[in-house]
Amino acid sequence: EDQVTQSPEALRLQEGESSSLNCSYTVSGLRGLFWYRQDPGKGPEFLFTLYSAGEEKEKERLKATLTKKESFLHITAPKPEDSATYLCAVNYGGSQGNLIFGKGTKLSVKP
Amino acid sequence: DAGVTQSPTHLIKTRGQHVTLRCSPISGHKSVSWYQQVLGQGPQFIFQYYEKEERGRGNFPDRFSARQFPNYSSELNVNALLLGDSALYLCASSPRQGGETQYFGPGTRLLVL
Repeated sequence: EDQVTQSPEALRLQEGESSSLNCSYTVSGLRGLFWYRQDPGKGPEFLFTLYSAGEEKEKERLKATLTKKESFLHITAPKPEDSATYLCAVNYGGSQGNLIFGKGTKLSVKP
Repeated sequence: DAGVTQSPTHLIKTRGQHVTLRCSPISGHKSVSWYQQVLGQGPQFIFQYYEKEERGRGNFPDRFSARQFPNYSSELNVNALLLGDSALYLCASSPRQGGETQYFGPGTRLLVL
């Protein structure tokens, strides 16, 4: 049973077309939820850490939010350089301090 | 500040061979974790080391082993390579163990022929 599920698997947007990526989780005892950006063939680049429901964080065109069951990554007026795979991961009481990842959402932004 | 570094960047091996991958954490970070990422999937946890001791192990066979050195750098060893071991191997570091943010290196791309 998947503990972290990301949707959609792929998303195509026009430049300037805002949208949201979803990450739902079924673990209990959440210690932290993490968003990363990954470009092809490279390591994940850290974006945000969220620790408790109701928390929000922003960075440029990205905003991450957290509820008790899911997190959203909102992308406002995206640009082609935002094209990448966005990974969500959780750390919880049973994971020995390690990250459990979803499969990612591949975002393509066309000019 | 230097981030997490990994070597080599790419590696080609044949089935049955052995491979050693290396990782240097961010300065001041004492925890190192290893992940395997196959194409189209999220990274899968292999090992975590903190203060030179193994603190966690994922669901990988005994062919996989690792260690952490006094300077907190780490090695991942894989014996008797299989075709299915072809993947991007990622190292991540964090200041301590637990629910802290982990910062990833660029990875080592391993191809087993």
